[in-house]
Amino acid sequence: SQQGEEDPQALSIQEGENATMNCSYKTSINNLQWYRQNSGRGLVHLILIRSNEREKHSGRLRVTLDTSKKSSSLLITASRAADTASYFCATDWGGGADGLTFGKGTHLIIQP
Amino acid sequence: EPEVTQTPSHQVTQMGQEVILRCVPISNHLYFYWYRQILGQKVEFLVSFYNNEISEKSEIFDDQFSVERPDGSNFTLKIRSTKLEDSAMYFCASSPWLAGLGKENTQYFGPGTRLTVL
Repeated sequence: SQQGEEDPQALSIQEGENATMNCSYKTSINNLQWYRQNSGRGLVHLILIRSNEREKHSGRLRVTLDTSKKSSSLLITASRAADTASYFCATDWGGGADGLTFGKGTHLIIQP
Repeated sequence: EPEVTQTPSHQVTQMGQEVILRCVPISNHLYFYWYRQILGQKVEFLVSFYNNEISEKSEIFDDQFSVERPDGSNFTLKIRSTKLEDSAMYFCASSPWLAGLGKENTQYFGPGTRLTVL
């Protein structure tokens, strides 16, 4: 089965710095998505990148996808204290009924 | 902005009891999902639902689980006889994805129901 595995498991940086999180997966995918989860809360969709895309931007977020290496990265620029959360990548095969396969997540802490 | 809502936010039950977790997906969405997250672990897919029937289910979704869309707005997950290991956060999600018209599968998640089985 597909698996997303993020690294690092935890990341602590100073406010204003950039944060980079990585995700690897094992099988072919159609889309890869990144979600944020604040402690004890639901998952918030951040960005989706299709398998035929290499890079995508949304505000302070930049996602890259390398299907040859089966990996993706999420870059958050100019981090803010409010960015403190867990970040998960999730993959799917592409069908509308597809369940997403999530990684274990990276817990990001932004120090003020 | 439309949101997925879930009730209750926290459910405590005794082992062996039945529980029903409720969700109201975003109104024009067509696909509905349940996931669970055991404390400290990954979010795991349970089941997807489309056109009033199960589309896909994981190994976790055994005979103890069932889903239903009893009316035009609610989507429920029933656990018939809860076990200690069913304690988790349960998330409902919905997606507007239209089969054959696109490849995106953005799923919008509710805030979750924390289920505690004693």
